[in-house]
Amino acid sequence: DTAVSQTPKYLVTQMGNDKSIKCEQNLGHDTMYWYKQDSKKFLKIMFSYNNKELIINETVPNRFSPKSPDKAHLNLHINSLELGDSAVYFCASSQGPGGDEQFFGPGTRLTVL
Amino acid sequence: KQEVTQIPAALSVPEGENLVLNCSFTDSAIYNLQWFRQDPGKGLTSLLLIQSSQREQTSGRLNASLDKSSGRSTLYIAASQPGDSATYLCAVCMYSGGGADGLTFGKGTHLIIQP
Repeated sequence: DTAVSQTPKYLVTQMGNDKSIKCEQNLGHDTMYWYKQDSKKFLKIMFSYNNKELIINETVPNRFSPKSPDKAHLNLHINSLELGDSAVYFCASSQGPGGDEQFFGPGTRLTVL
Repeated sequence: KQEVTQIPAALSVPEGENLVLNCSFTDSAIYNLQWFRQDPGKGLTSLLLIQSSQREQTSGRLNASLDKSSGRSTLYIAASQPGDSATYLCAVCMYSGGGADGLTFGKGTHLIIQP
């Protein structure tokens, strides 16, 4: 059974478009995260949600808007895509926000043309 | 601001050797430290989690140590195998007012085990 899943796996789109990436976890965790891995493979936290409430927003442009319809889902919506948004986006989850082990999804490779 | 450094950036060794990957962090007030492996084009697989109160954790051929006061962790891989080839990432978790922060990652050590 997949613990943390993301869709789509690949996303190719034009500049200026709006797109969404979906994430679901079936681990019963309360906390979910979005990370961005840039072209140099450096991973950086973007957002964290605990029980559907935003707890971390790390200086991410407001074109990025996470949405958590329930504890098991944290979707990432991106408006007005730019070339610099091209990256691999990883979703992760943990039992709670108290420093529990984080489990990562397979990633979504976003390419903006 | 927390910074995590991993040395070496790349390592290539013959199969069967024992090896050590190093991780250092600038702020010792961490909640925990986690080691991951990432295979090309894949997600991250959690290997070991060391809480700030612990000194080491072991899983199979892997052993991770933590010296919080000096800001260092090592990942020891015994009897390396070609299947161990991957990028190994070290990440620390800081505590913030709202709970734990997200992980701060190093840039990884790209490991190649030669058959």
